[in-house]
Amino acid sequence: QQPVQSPQAVILREGEDAVINCSSSKALYSVHWYRQKHGEAPVFLMILLKGGEQKGHEKISASFNEKKQQSSLYLTASQLSYSGTYFCGTEPGSARQLTFGSGTQLTVLP
Amino acid sequence: EAQVTQNPRYLITVTGKKLTVTCSQNMNHEYMSWYRQDPGLGLRQIYYSMNVEVTDKGDVPEGYKVSRKEKRNFPLILESPSPNQTSLYFCASSFSTATANYGYTFGSGTRLTVV
Repeated sequence: QQPVQSPQAVILREGEDAVINCSSSKALYSVHWYRQKHGEAPVFLMILLKGGEQKGHEKISASFNEKKQQSSLYLTASQLSYSGTYFCGTEPGSARQLTFGSGTQLTVLP
Repeated sequence: EAQVTQNPRYLITVTGKKLTVTCSQNMNHEYMSWYRQDPGLGLRQIYYSMNVEVTDKGDVPEGYKVSRKEKRNFPLILESPSPNQTSLYFCASSFSTATANYGYTFGSGTRLTVV
C-alpha cells in the first residue's frame, strides 16, 4: 500500500523552511527520501531505519516515528536548488521492496 | 564512474513485439529493482531482486518478466507489450553493509512508447 505524502505541493521563497510528511498504515522497517528534478532520475537523500532516528544532510534532515509509522522531511533555509519533487519510499523489510508515495512538488522562488 | 546504465534511453515499438530493456550496474550492488513512472501515479515497483537468482514481484508485475543471472545485470522483458505499458522506466540498485543501509541509485530512465 502506497504511503501518503503531504502536502502535494508547496511554494517557498528562498530562505524559508518547509516540512514534508509521509505516513504509512503498515509497520515499517525503513523510510527513504528522494528528490527528482524535472526530466531527471530520482536522487537518494537519506534512509531512516526503525528505531525512531533522525538524520541530517546539509540543511535537509528527517525524522522517523516508528510508533506512528510517520516520517517528516525538513528543509531549512531553502535554496533554489531544492526545487523538485520529493518522494518518500517505505519498506516493510530489508529487501528493498520499496513503495513510493505520490510525491510533493516543491518550488523555491527567488 | 559508479553508475546504473539502462538501454535504450528511448524506444518506440508496436503492440505485441517482444522487447528487452537492459540494466547494468558497476557497483557490485546486491539489490536491483525496476520501476515505472506515470503522471499522477508516481513511481511503482515492477520487480525487485535481492541477489543473483532471487527476484520477487513488486506492485505492478503483470506483463513483465525479469531475470538476475549475474549480479550486475537485471534486464526487464516485455513479452507482448501493450499501449498501457507506455511509460518511463527506471532501473535502480542498492546495497547494505553490516552497519548501514543505503538507498537506491537510479539509472537515467528509458522512455517506452507502445503503439
